[in-house]
Amino acid sequence: GAGVSQSPRYKVAKRGQDVALRCDPISGHVSLFWYQQALGQGPEFLTYFQNEAQLDKSGLPSDRFFAERPEGSVSTLKIQRTQQEDSAVYLCASSLGWGFSSGPSYEQYFGPGTRLTVT
Amino acid sequence: DQQVKQNSPSLSVQEGRISILNCDYTNSMFDYFLWYKKYPAEGPTFLISISSIKDKNEDGRFTVFLNKSAKHLSLHIVPSQPGDSAVYFCAAPSTGNQFYFGTGTSLTVIP
Repeated sequence: GAGVSQSPRYKVAKRGQDVALRCDPISGHVSLFWYQQALGQGPEFLTYFQNEAQLDKSGLPSDRFFAERPEGSVSTLKIQRTQQEDSAVYLCASSLGWGFSSGPSYEQYFGPGTRLTVT
Repeated sequence: DQQVKQNSPSLSVQEGRISILNCDYTNSMFDYFLWYKKYPAEGPTFLISISSIKDKNEDGRFTVFLNKSAKHLSLHIVPSQPGDSAVYFCAAPSTGNQFYFGTGTSLTVIP
């Protein structure tokens, strides 16, 4: 398929465990975003990549959260020493990027998300 | 600090009638707004957008209205269909790279 894929779809972790969540964006998409969506809430911005450069990580809630996109395509969100408050759906989205065609391309294509449950 | 707000968590509408979903924002610097639709166990999908230089954008059954003075936008769906039942989010990108989403409105279209 040509859409954004994420793996795993579901992850159960014991408190204190480290987890790694993967995102495969649409091929050729320059921008990649990570969001955290708690139950009953809208997606909340975590971090943004333009190609391999992490241009904004201001939404990461603590230094236990780390994201990378080393080759400008696949991205991994890592959470160290998971806590119960980390339980949420983690969404990845990609977009063509800024400055394409007649202006910024704001349309983001979302993956299905990874539901993380920390017990 | 919720910069984009959707104050109605849910809405039920009869099939064929109009659905109106509302969104308010606080940041006057926002210059673009998007609506996303989300089915259970799927990621949000883009529905329609509007630039702040316009007050209306229409795409088939979907129309978004923007009232900048009131910092308010609304999504109209007419006629509503059962397949429209989903959670709808409004969103706005900041001048940086952050997108702000509302908390969503769950629409149920009753056949």
